[in-house]
Amino acid sequence: SQQGEEDPQALSIQEGENATMNCSYKTSINNLQWYRQNSGRGLVHLILIRSNEREKHSGRLRVTLDTSKKSSSLLITASRAADTASYFCATDRSARQLTFGSGTQLTVLP
Amino acid sequence: DGGITQSPKYLFRKEGQNVTLSCEQNLNHDAMYWYRQDPGQGLRLIYYSQIVNDFQKGDIAEGYSVSREKKESFPLTVTSAQKNPTAFYLCASSGVTGEAGELFFGEGSRLTVL
Repeated sequence: SQQGEEDPQALSIQEGENATMNCSYKTSINNLQWYRQNSGRGLVHLILIRSNEREKHSGRLRVTLDTSKKSSSLLITASRAADTASYFCATDRSARQLTFGSGTQLTVLP
Repeated sequence: DGGITQSPKYLFRKEGQNVTLSCEQNLNHDAMYWYRQDPGQGLRLIYYSQIVNDFQKGDIAEGYSVSREKKESFPLTVTSAQKNPTAFYLCASSGVTGEAGELFFGEGSRLTVL
């Protein structure tokens, strides 16, 4: 079953703009993670946020977590063409497993 | 360099044939995972292993089998019982076993059944 679901499914922006992707989930979590996948490649871990954290930063990435609304957002600031990829949220539905959403396809136009 | 190596990258097989996908890691991670990805979709867990000689079924284990005889290796066999095996298969590992920690992924194997 898909625990996390990303929104929107696809997003197209101009270089330099900010990109915001959202993730909603259904059951309580210990942590939520965001991953990036370039077309035809493996996933790369971006950031992990724990249930007792509200916001986390890593370079141009900002992740927020609202456990009361069971949602998270990923903000990429000052986007670049190289940020074009699919972005997935993943939640730990059990202590040993991650469940991935269906992803947001981000296209950054030069 | 440390990482996860999947092979082959592309694989074509006829219906009814078993095929084995290789996954090797040199990260000294205890936990390893196999995921399946279909076009435009997220990842679905096939099997996972927390320790050598032990593994558990994920959400879509039917038609697949695995072994974990060595810490470094976690091969996946797609059997003829798998109804729709054409997909992108991703292997991952984690150095964290007490919780769902960061996953390190291989570059994937794309299986096409003709």
